[in-house]
Amino acid sequence: QKEVEQNSGPLSVPEGAIASLNCTYSDRGSQSFFWYRQYSGKSPELIMSIYSNGDKEDGRFTAQLNKASQYVSLLIRDSQPSDSATYLCAVIRMNRDDKIIFGKGTRLHILP
Amino acid sequence: DTEVTQTPKHLVMGMTNKKSLKCEQHMGHRAMYWYKQKAKKPPELMFVYSYEKLSINESVPSRFSPECPNSSLLNLHLHALQPEDSALYLCASSQDTPGQGWSPLHFGNGTRLTVT
Repeated sequence: QKEVEQNSGPLSVPEGAIASLNCTYSDRGSQSFFWYRQYSGKSPELIMSIYSNGDKEDGRFTAQLNKASQYVSLLIRDSQPSDSATYLCAVIRMNRDDKIIFGKGTRLHILP
Repeated sequence: DTEVTQTPKHLVMGMTNKKSLKCEQHMGHRAMYWYKQKAKKPPELMFVYSYEKLSINESVPSRFSPECPNSSLLNLHLHALQPEDSALYLCASSQDTPGQGWSPLHFGNGTRLTVT
């Protein structure tokens, strides 16, 4: 089982709709979770951090964490063409080594 | 604009050249990282510096040599690279090391390296 799993996509969503991106992780003790957005040819940009169960909202973005089910998701409301990018899920594991583990990323395409 | 600055933005080098990538951050972050990223792949960890000491080397070939002169600077020295080393090289920093459990990475804009 891969440590951090994401559907590679592409995920196509109509403009104005809600985009839902999912990530599962294998280490039950993982404690910190991040979503990065990466445009083609650019570097990853941190868009959300979440550390406790529940929802965290920041503008059009909502991160959801469920530690019992070992998944974290990112919702993007009122999707815009500028949201078209690859979204990387990243996790800090419980064993406290100096690594942040990345998923392979989900390509999101917002249809105008 | 990112607060982690990488130079150069682009680099083309031959297999016999020696070059260096540079990274600088002034956020007081205690950990700095080098990642390599190929197209359509996630970033791949190369090295981690924690409090200016090398804490992780992900079995990277010796033709890549990291250096951390001080808490704000990180270099990656390149020598005798192969064409398959062509990639986007990303520097990142975090306030604490991941071992502390909570700090996200902040990436620089990267150096696009082409080895001919």
